[in-house]
Amino acid sequence: DVKVTQSSRYLVKRTGEKVFLECVQDMDHENMFWYRQDPGLGLRLIYFSYDVKMKEKGDIPEGYSVSREKKERFSLILESASTNQTSMYLCASRDSGRASTDTQYFGPGTRLTVL
Amino acid sequence: AQTVTQSQPEMSVQEAETVTLSCTYDTSENNYYLFWYKQPPSRQMILVIRQEAYKQQNATENRFSVNFQKAAKSFSLKISDSQLGDTAMYFCAFMKHEVLTFGKGTHLIIQP
Repeated sequence: DVKVTQSSRYLVKRTGEKVFLECVQDMDHENMFWYRQDPGLGLRLIYFSYDVKMKEKGDIPEGYSVSREKKERFSLILESASTNQTSMYLCASRDSGRASTDTQYFGPGTRLTVL
Repeated sequence: AQTVTQSQPEMSVQEAETVTLSCTYDTSENNYYLFWYKQPPSRQMILVIRQEAYKQQNATENRFSVNFQKAAKSFSLKISDSQLGDTAMYFCAFMKHEVLTFGKGTHLIIQP
């Protein structure tokens, strides 16, 4: 089974802090994604990565950056956290090979609160 | 840009009943994928069912089936013999070029 793990289930930070959210997948997937989930808005794509050191902006990249130094790990960075970044953050990965089912597999989520 | 609309923010049915969740989408693409994901209170997003747009046959997974109407851009999910464990948020999603676009979700409650 595909396993996607996220470093924290719950995180509380102060306004202005630099925040790192880590995501690791164990299936050698090329594609990885970061979403935020807010009530009534569904999931919105922040950034995604096709491969190591590659990144693409999603629908709501403002205030975020990402890093992918190794294939299995995709980090979301909040350079200076703000209260409007309080949200649930979900990481996902996907195999892009010929046999891919195009399914994205999700981690358990990190609920971030910025005070 | 693609949009996905789920018009039912919340639904509630009795255990063992059949329930249908609606989803419509807007796209100019011809080849794409559609998904239903389930998010129980534990928050883990779980794939329920997927459909390739080029396949006319509706996908089925045990008690879960879809009614895919490509011309109408409709992709509804039917849950038969609903169970208490089906209580969750359900998200419809459209995929093209590796990117998923989600609807806002339907909160399904199964009453005992």
